[in-house]
Amino acid sequence: DTAVSQTPKYLVTQMGNDKSIKCEQNLGHDTMYWYKQDSKKFLKIMFSYNNKELIINETVPNRFSPKSPDKAHLNLHINSLELGDSAVYFCASSQAGRVRYEQYFGPGTRLTVT
Amino acid sequence: AQTVTQSQPEMSVQEAETVTLSCTYDTSESDYYLFWYKQPPSRQMILVIRQEAYKQQNATENRFSVNFQKAAKSFSLKISDSQLGDAAMYFCACINTNAGKSTFGDGTTLTVKP
Repeated sequence: DTAVSQTPKYLVTQMGNDKSIKCEQNLGHDTMYWYKQDSKKFLKIMFSYNNKELIINETVPNRFSPKSPDKAHLNLHINSLELGDSAVYFCASSQAGRVRYEQYFGPGTRLTVT
Repeated sequence: AQTVTQSQPEMSVQEAETVTLSCTYDTSESDYYLFWYKQPPSRQMILVIRQEAYKQQNATENRFSVNFQKAAKSFSLKISDSQLGDAAMYFCACINTNAGKSTFGDGTTLTVKP
């Protein structure tokens, strides 16, 4: 039983294309996140959603648009992909107010833009 | 701004020995949680240990323990009886409960020598 799943695990695409990464959690958590891990392994938060509402939006190009159809899903859509978007993208979830806010991470999606 | 600093990009330890990874943080929030995550080559982010900021007692999980110095804003991780499977990148993280903002350090790569 996968707690946080992401699809696809690998994504290779060309500059200028539009792509989406899907994330689903079956933990019943109310908060979900997107992180970007660059080639130097630095992990930066991009977005955070609580009960389908955006609560954190870090300085991220507006080519990136998260969408949360329900509490269990948080998808990431990227328009006009650029070389600098190549990274590993992690989805995570947590439950605010209990279980000490620990975040459970998905396996990551390695995006390569050529 | 919330910051997390890991001053040791790389550390190494002999198998069965003890190693301590450093982490300092800065936050203006009064209510927050601190975590150590492990990222092995598989890239899966795995929670190692958590610490509630309001608790004075240092958290312990089997061979992993923390030294939490709230006044100094220090949160180091001690790994006892190091095993080959402990080799990974370790991230320190601070999550504040007010806005749910999470900040990760830049990571420390731990090598375990047989």
